[in-house]
Amino acid sequence: AAGVIQSPRHLIKEKRETATLKCYPIPRHDTVYWYQQGPGQDPQFLISFYEKMQSDKGSIPDRFSAQQFSDYHSELNMSSLELGDSALYFCASSSRFKSGGALYEQYFGPGTRLTVT
Amino acid sequence: AQKVTQAQTEISVVEKEDVTLDCVYETRDTTYYLFWYKQPPSGELVFLIRRNSFDEQNEISGRYSWNFQKSTSSFNFTITASQVVDSAVYFCALSEAGSGYSTLTFGKGTMLLVSP
Repeated sequence: AAGVIQSPRHLIKEKRETATLKCYPIPRHDTVYWYQQGPGQDPQFLISFYEKMQSDKGSIPDRFSAQQFSDYHSELNMSSLELGDSALYFCASSSRFKSGGALYEQYFGPGTRLTVT
Repeated sequence: AQKVTQAQTEISVVEKEDVTLDCVYETRDTTYYLFWYKQPPSGELVFLIRRNSFDEQNEISGRYSWNFQKSTSSFNFTITASQVVDSAVYFCALSEAGSGYSTLTFGKGTMLLVSP
């Protein structure tokens, strides 16, 4: 079965640079979520989109922005990167309709490991 | 206030031992979902189980079993006859109807180390 795809899997950036992470949800899933997991930490919710509209917002820094496109893929844009942004970034997708899988169940991608030097 | 508490930071067992990972949650919603995820050293989050708040029936899947008790707000996870491959960080998570199930709130995780 198709899973959530994230690219790139690894990314190394320098301080003050920008980064763009991409997420391709499971087909027929209408909701995308972004999570940030720092070293030794639990995943923290950043933001979510339902049908291309922002649906909920967590602890996302103002330097970050995200959007969901017409093909349902999502991008997380991160600017003015700081050392503390080094983390594993997960994208997850779910469906509000059973045809897309278990209702509301979030399926996680493999993550993008961002290292800021 | 922390909504999901995993009091055990790290547990070490020897192969073939049984081990229980504790999870206590807090919510005002009557409708919610509870989850367990496994995160092996490779980093991906592997879904293990989802439980609806109205379904208190315990579940067994191979060597894994889950004990959901609303009276104590607990959703504990037991691995029977542990194996080295079970070594990972295990997260308990909560999704609430009040937020439209739009977010997962994770516990801090329990690192399980299974030695040969």
